[in-house]
Amino acid sequence: DQQVKQNSPSLSVQEGRISILNCDYTNSMFDYFLWYKKYPAEGPTFLISISSIKDKNEDGRFTVFLNKSAKHLSLHIVPSQPGDSAVYFCAAISRGGYQKVTFGTGTKLQVIP
Amino acid sequence: EPEVTQTPSHQVTQMGQEVILRCVPISNHLYFYWYRQILGQKVEFLVSFYNNEISEKSEIFDDQFSVERPDGSNFTLKIRSTKLEDSAMYFCASSEPGTSNQPQHFGDGTRLSIL
Repeated sequence: DQQVKQNSPSLSVQEGRISILNCDYTNSMFDYFLWYKKYPAEGPTFLISISSIKDKNEDGRFTVFLNKSAKHLSLHIVPSQPGDSAVYFCAAISRGGYQKVTFGTGTKLQVIP
Repeated sequence: EPEVTQTPSHQVTQMGQEVILRCVPISNHLYFYWYRQILGQKVEFLVSFYNNEISEKSEIFDDQFSVERPDGSNFTLKIRSTKLEDSAMYFCASSEPGTSNQPQHFGDGTRLSIL
């Protein structure tokens, strides 16, 4: 039951360039989307979120775009830094879901110096 | 910055035994959660807890599992009669009260190994 899909298990980007991580979802009840970053041996760390009533949210180097009609969201990191190397999880919360977070399978980002 | 803390970081238990995983959520948070991640798989929701009761649970969270907030600071996950397939990373999370969709803050997890 993959309600949140991240089709790219890994991504390599040169330092200073843009990283684009993609995510697709199938559940129309999702109304809040999040990106988490995870380093080895640590828990997921909240990065940025977006409500379904918006199509863009920006926080410093991180921007999340939401295309509801396509059930697609993406995370842009610009400029990418070596410290951004981690696993990135797309996640979603549905209306009335008591904040149950449904995670994607993750994309491992490597930023090459 | 306030953190969610989990103990122990690694728990090794014989199959069939009971195990209790402990979490100290962020102090002003009122929503608490447990998730697990089996090696190589995605992070899966187990249960959410608010106002001293379970607000939602997944199909994974069967009678083998229970949660408790025994005092004002701890939040525990008990697994009875552990099975080999319970081996996983277990993450505790908490979030603030107020408007819905507050981001959840995760601890660093407890690695549970069932032998």
